[in-house]
Amino acid sequence: NAGVTQTPKFRVLKTGQSMTLLCAQDMNHEYMYWYRQDPGMGLRLIHYSVGEGTTAKGEVPDGYNVSRLKKQNFLLGLESAAPSQTSVYFCASSYSQGAVITEAFFGQGTRLTVV
Amino acid sequence: KQEVTQIPAALSVPEGENLVLNCSFTDSAIYNLQWFRQDPGKGLTSLLLIQSSQREQTSGRLNASLDKSSGRSTLYIAASQPGDSATYLCAVRQGIYTDKLIFGTGTRLQVFP
Repeated sequence: NAGVTQTPKFRVLKTGQSMTLLCAQDMNHEYMYWYRQDPGMGLRLIHYSVGEGTTAKGEVPDGYNVSRLKKQNFLLGLESAAPSQTSVYFCASSYSQGAVITEAFFGQGTRLTVV
Repeated sequence: KQEVTQIPAALSVPEGENLVLNCSFTDSAIYNLQWFRQDPGKGLTSLLLIQSSQREQTSGRLNASLDKSSGRSTLYIAASQPGDSATYLCAVRQGIYTDKLIFGTGTRLQVFP
């Protein structure tokens, strides 16, 4: 049972370059999230999705775009990377029991450095 | 705006001690609270989930309590071991249909032999 898998695990980008982070979950969860984790600031929500074909902005969405074309995949894009986007990125997914959202499961993270 | 605080930020204890980690939140209207463990350079592992209607949850040597009215949760670790060394995070979900978790900044725990 793979759970939530993030690709790649590490990446170094030059300022202005673009890239896409991939998150895949095999638990048939409806909800998926992208967070960033920075020292002293905890985890902050970037974007999230409540189902295939839907996306919504979180707390810190600027500079990022997302897509959820398939239920199992949630992609996070950086169109023009900036040093301020140096961070560790985590993907998570949740399931619902009826209409109630319950436990969140996290991937192992992607460490991104923008130079 | 909901704010989640964890105190202390860091804790170092000898093996075998029982210890308590604290999590407080400013808005008591939460739906559930989840405790996570994060090892250095790793992702988050879910430890315990407490629904707002519950007072506590237990898993092995871990016990989490929730007092919604006072905006507090505690994670109790019994007979600590060096393998418990990690950062512990708490996160609250605001409502039944709310998709977002709001995280504290964590308590970094070191258990030395």
